[in-house]
Amino acid sequence: QKEVEQNSGPLSVPEGAIASLNCTYSDRGSQSFFWYRQYSGKSPELIMFIYSNGDKEDGRFTAQLNKASQYVSLLIRDSQPSDSATYLCAVNQYSSASKIIFGSGTRLSIRP
Amino acid sequence: ETGVTQTPRHLVMGMTNKKSLKCEQHLGHNAMYWYKQSAKKPLELMFVYNFKEQTENNSVPSRFSPECPNSSHLFLHLHTLQPEDSALYLCASSQDRVDPGQVVGNTIYFGEGSWLTVV
Repeated sequence: QKEVEQNSGPLSVPEGAIASLNCTYSDRGSQSFFWYRQYSGKSPELIMFIYSNGDKEDGRFTAQLNKASQYVSLLIRDSQPSDSATYLCAVNQYSSASKIIFGSGTRLSIRP
Repeated sequence: ETGVTQTPRHLVMGMTNKKSLKCEQHLGHNAMYWYKQSAKKPLELMFVYNFKEQTENNSVPSRFSPECPNSSHLFLHLHTLQPEDSALYLCASSQDRVDPGQVVGNTIYFGEGSWLTVV
């Protein structure tokens, strides 16, 4: 079992709809969770991080964490074509950033 | 000026060449990292430096040699590489915390990457 699993996609969502990206992780002791966006040919950029169970909202983005189910998701409201990218889920198993494990990413495509 | 800068952005080298990738962070962080990203593979952590000391080496072949002269600069020296080493090499930094339970501040910030092609 992979430590951090994501559906590779592509996930196709119409413009203006909600895009839902999911991630599961294997280490129950994981402490912090990150979502990165990576455009083709570019480096990953941080969108959000979340530490506590529940929802965390930042503009059109909402991260959701359920530690009991070992599940973290990212919702993108009012999807725009500029949201088309690969989204990487990352999980920190300890308080040291060197223990951050990345998923392989979900490719999101927003169709006009 | 971006927080983490990498040079060169693109590099083509032969298998017998020696070259270096350079990274500089302007964020005041104490930890720096090298990651490798190949097509259709997850990000692979290669090396970690914390306060200039190497704390992680994820079984990276010796043809990759890191150097961290201070907390702001990180190099990756390359020699006798193989075509399968062609990839995007990402430098990153963070304000690392090692105290148990202290999760705040360990977010990783990436540079723009160096595209390496080995011919």
